[in-house]
Amino acid sequence: GESVGLHLPTLSVQEGDNSIINCAYSNSASDYFIWYKQESGKGPQFIIDIRSNMDKRQGQRVTVLLNKTVKHLSLQIAATQPGDSAVYFCASLSNTGKLIFGQGTTLQVKP
Amino acid sequence: NAGVTQTPKFRVLKTGQSMTLLCAQDMNHEYMYWYRQDPGMGLRLIHYSVGEGTTAKGEVPDGYNVSRLKKQNFLLGLESAAPSQTSVYFCASSAGGGLVGSPRFFGPGTRLTVL
Repeated sequence: GESVGLHLPTLSVQEGDNSIINCAYSNSASDYFIWYKQESGKGPQFIIDIRSNMDKRQGQRVTVLLNKTVKHLSLQIAATQPGDSAVYFCASLSNTGKLIFGQGTTLQVKP
Repeated sequence: NAGVTQTPKFRVLKTGQSMTLLCAQDMNHEYMYWYRQDPGMGLRLIHYSVGEGTTAKGEVPDGYNVSRLKKQNFLLGLESAAPSQTSVYFCASSAGGGLVGSPRFFGPGTRLTVL
């Protein structure tokens, strides 16, 4: 079946450094991808999305890169801050309309 | 705007009891969703709605029912709770006209324990 997986369950970075969170998906027919952030005890929060006809999209301090050849996407956070500490999920939407979530990478920001 | 709100925040049930989780959104969104989140499983879609009076099954609908009598509310019911339904439940919403399967705003969650 379809799956979405993150490469590392935990990522620890120094405050001010850039963070890169990676995600792999299995369905080559996936055409839309979303990154969510979930802080402890809260619901997921939409960060940024990207369609399959793009390979890069930038937001405020965040960039998502999509490599359809190897079915991989990444979330880059510039100048990581303590407030960025959270669990980050990627999700892929297939052409059947099913959104598959990964299990999440915990980002820890060290002061 | 309050966004997406959920009640209750916490609940403990005994096996066989019933309950209803309420979700409300004040953004006039067409699409609403119910997810459950379990350790090691990621978020899984239970039911969703593409508009007032409509509902559809998601990935894990068994044991749950939903209703969308008003556009702003989406109710999730458990008729006979089972320990396997212990989970954190999230409601979400998104504007119509976009991709149905892509929730934009999530509520704070309801932590349900079934003993």
